[in-house]
Amino acid sequence: DAGVTQSPTHLIKTRGQQVTLRCSPKSGHDTVSWYQQALGQGPQFIFQYYEEEERQRGNFPDRFSGHQFPNYSSELNVNALLLGDSALYLCASSSQGLNTEAFFGQGTRLTVV
Amino acid sequence: AQRVTQPEKLLSVFKGAPVELKCNYSYSGSPELFWYVQYSRQRLQLLLRHISRESIKGFTADLNKGETSFHLKKPFAQEEDSAMYYCALSEANTGFQKLVFGTGTRLLVSP
Repeated sequence: DAGVTQSPTHLIKTRGQQVTLRCSPKSGHDTVSWYQQALGQGPQFIFQYYEEEERQRGNFPDRFSGHQFPNYSSELNVNALLLGDSALYLCASSSQGLNTEAFFGQGTRLTVV
Repeated sequence: AQRVTQPEKLLSVFKGAPVELKCNYSYSGSPELFWYVQYSRQRLQLLLRHISRESIKGFTADLNKGETSFHLKKPFAQEEDSAMYYCALSEANTGFQKLVFGTGTRLLVSP
């Protein structure tokens, strides 16, 4: 099991562009959460997907959207990129139920110039 | 409001010295507390959680609801403990694990 995999590992985009980041969850996991980690900060929750629906959302604007596919993989889309969107984007997968553990991917480093 | 505070950005100790990484939280409900660790060039991984009451790699953490703290402790630090440590919380007894993280403490253990 490769665990949680994210692609790409690094990405450079221009302000105003759109970006799509991808995540494959750990085998057996059905829930995917996305986090943004700015430099020097802890990860901040963006949203969580389960059964192909957004179940919870953090304090992020509508420019941030996502999708979950039937195979549980997920995408994070960010429109109209701002310089402040530059960060490490982490995907975490887990399974539903009490006392489950969230497993994190290596992250995608997004730089907006 | 949910908040996790880690007051120290950097904690530097010598090998064999005791270590305490501080974590305080603010939460209106019943939280579950975690410590995550990130070693150099590795992904964020769970170190321990308060409900399991385990000692992992010699580390322990006790939830003190009166002081709203969940400090991470180890009696004798090792060089391989050098890493970034994040305290986090989520709502207990739910199927959804929305984690709220602190800003992290870098632990540096010198020989």
